[in-house]
Amino acid sequence: EIQLQESGPGLVKPSQSLSLTCSVTGYTITSGYDWSWIRKFPGNKMEWMGYISYSGSTNYNPSLKSRISITRDTSKNQFFLQLNSVTTEDTATYYCARITTWGTFDYWGQGVMVTVSS
Amino acid sequence: IQMTQSPSLLSASVGDRVTLSCKAGQNINNYLAWYQQKLGEAPKLLIYNANSLQTGIPSRFSGSGSGTDYTLTISSLQPEDVATYFCQQYNSWTTFGAGTKLELK
Repeated sequence: EIQLQESGPGLVKPSQSLSLTCSVTGYTITSGYDWSWIRKFPGNKMEWMGYISYSGSTNYNPSLKSRISITRDTSKNQFFLQLNSVTTEDTATYYCARITTWGTFDYWGQGVMVTVSS
Repeated sequence: IQMTQSPSLLSASVGDRVTLSCKAGQNINNYLAWYQQKLGEAPKLLIYNANSLQTGIPSRFSGSGSGTDYTLTISSLQPEDVATYFCQQYNSWTTFGAGTKLELK
C-alpha cells in the first residue's frame, strides 16, 4: 500500500524558511510519477505549489518560483519542500501527493498544519 | 482557471440523491477531478476526466459534465459519505475549488 506522510515544524517565524519532509512507503519515488506539494489555506482555498519528477526535474507554481525549492533524498525515499521568506499568508495545511499521468493526485498524505507567527 | 463550487454546504438524508456542482472559469475539456476529504484524513480521488471512476470507489459516485460545468452525483447517500468534496481542473496548470461540505440532515 502506498502511503505518504508529511513531517516538519508546526510553527515558523516570519521571514524564516519553512522546511517539510514527505516520506513515501510502498513505492520508490525514482520508479515513476511526479511528486507534489499542495497547500490548503484557512478558508479552504487550495494551491498547487510544485513537483519533483521521478528523474529529479522540478516544476514550480510561477507565483512561488522565487521562494520555493523541492528536493529529494532517494536513499530515504523522501522529498522535501523549502519555502523561503515566509509571511503570515503562508499559514496553511501542507500536503504531499503523487501525480498521475493525467495530472490528478491519487495518493496524498494527511497533511501538516504550519502556522507562520512571531 | 478559477473553479467555483456550489453549494458550499449541503444537508441531505441517508438514501438521498445528492448533486454537487463545479464551474470552471473557462472550458477545461473534461480535465476535471473530484476528491473526498473526511475530517482528519487525506483526500481521496473519486473521479477523473470528469466521468471516470477511480479504482475502488463505490459505483454510487458518478461524474458528468463538459465545457465549464461539471457535476458529482451520489446516487444514494450513505452515512460514510459525510465529507468535504472538492474539484480540481488540470487542463491548464492545476487549480482547485473551495469545496462543498456534505452533512447529514
